[in-house]
Amino acid sequence: GAGVSQSPSNKVTEKGKDVELRCDPISGHTALYWYRQSLGQGLEFLIYFQGNSAPDKSGLPSDRFSAERTGGSVSTLTIQRTQQEDSAVYLCASSPGTGGRGYGYTFGSGTRLTVV
Amino acid sequence: GENVEQHPSTLSVQEGDSAVIKCTYSDSASNYFPWYKQELGKGPQLIIDIRSNVGEKKDQRIAVTLNKTAKHFSLHITETQPEDSAVYFCAATGSGGSYIPTFGRGTSLIVHP
Repeated sequence: GAGVSQSPSNKVTEKGKDVELRCDPISGHTALYWYRQSLGQGLEFLIYFQGNSAPDKSGLPSDRFSAERTGGSVSTLTIQRTQQEDSAVYLCASSPGTGGRGYGYTFGSGTRLTVV
Repeated sequence: GENVEQHPSTLSVQEGDSAVIKCTYSDSASNYFPWYKQELGKGPQLIIDIRSNVGEKKDQRIAVTLNKTAKHFSLHITETQPEDSAVYFCAATGSGGSYIPTFGRGTSLIVHP
């Protein structure tokens, strides 16, 4: 597609439920990233996928968070047993080259997750 | 790892004035510095970037300057317009095999008509 597509745009879930957030990167972009943005805060790195390499999971805040990228394209971020502190906007970005060095990101519009 | 400091956190200007946002970074090996603009309810959008082999880059009303010695870079917006109101983020990409950019905490720019 023309841009990075994320779904759903909004998600309200009950505490303790699992949620899945989807990201469709720009076709041909080999690198894909997930970030979390809490209200009025900056961008917190979560996980990075580059081609067929093992993902960089160093930013995942707990083992309740996981992500996969199938076929080098679509990615799903899963949060298990959601907590209220997980409420945030989850942003996905893709770039055409290695790790973002020298390549700017294209971000999606994000998924606003609210845990009640 | 890389550490990026961004100032100010909030900037309020009158339409037509200039706005300057400054960032400092810690890793002298960083070599790519993008700036993103985030409007309400949207994802950040890349507006300009600079690589460490140049000191300044301009694109219409926006410009970015880089001082590698001092390890700081700045975003300059001239002739500000209300539509420039947004949150601006700087970023720097460090070394050591990590290609994950480190973002500043953002500057909320408000342009008053």
